[in-house]
Amino acid sequence: DAGVIQSPRHEVTEMGQEVTLRCKPISGHNSLFWYRQTMMRGLELLIYFNNNVPIDDSGMPEDRFSAKMPNASFSTLKIQPSEPRDSAVYFCASRPVGIGYTFGSGTRLTVV
Amino acid sequence: QQQVKQSPQSLIVQKGGISIINCAYENTAFDYFPWYQQFPGKGPALLIAIRPDVSEKKEGRFTISFNKSAKQFSLHIMDSQPGDSATYFCAASSLVYNTDKLIFGTGTRLQVFP
Repeated sequence: DAGVIQSPRHEVTEMGQEVTLRCKPISGHNSLFWYRQTMMRGLELLIYFNNNVPIDDSGMPEDRFSAKMPNASFSTLKIQPSEPRDSAVYFCASRPVGIGYTFGSGTRLTVV
Repeated sequence: QQQVKQSPQSLIVQKGGISIINCAYENTAFDYFPWYQQFPGKGPALLIAIRPDVSEKKEGRFTISFNKSAKQFSLHIMDSQPGDSATYFCAASSLVYNTDKLIFGTGTRLQVFP
């Protein structure tokens, strides 16, 4: 089991550019979560999916952020246009029913 | 009401000592309380978890104590080791209401010195 796989590990982009973060959850896990981690705000839940359906996107900061899960093995988080305040580590996590999350190693995003 | 408050923000402990991290919550619908451990450059990893039907759970050197009436829970690390140096997060969610999103505390950076 390779765990939750995120790509890229690091992303540096210029303000105004589109950024796409990718996640492959663990096979058989039916829930997927996107979190953002910063020193100031800690771990914030952005959005989560159950069986590929978005359940709660109340944590998505604004319309610049969007997330999709076209199938059970892939999800994307897109920021368009990106801003310096979006700089953070973005984590994807997945879980089967009733058990704790497994996090990926994260994508460190820097917007300059 | 969705918050989980965690303290202290940082903790320095001598090798062999006991590390104690505390968390408090307000939402009585929470019924699952995990602790996560995060090393630099890695994602958080599940360490130990408890449900409110028990007051304590122990796994090796790690113990969760749970006080339902006070709406508080804590992590105790016995015989702390330098390898335990990491950031620890408490969290809470409500499995009963199927809102299985985890709400995390703000984290405690633990440093264990030899």
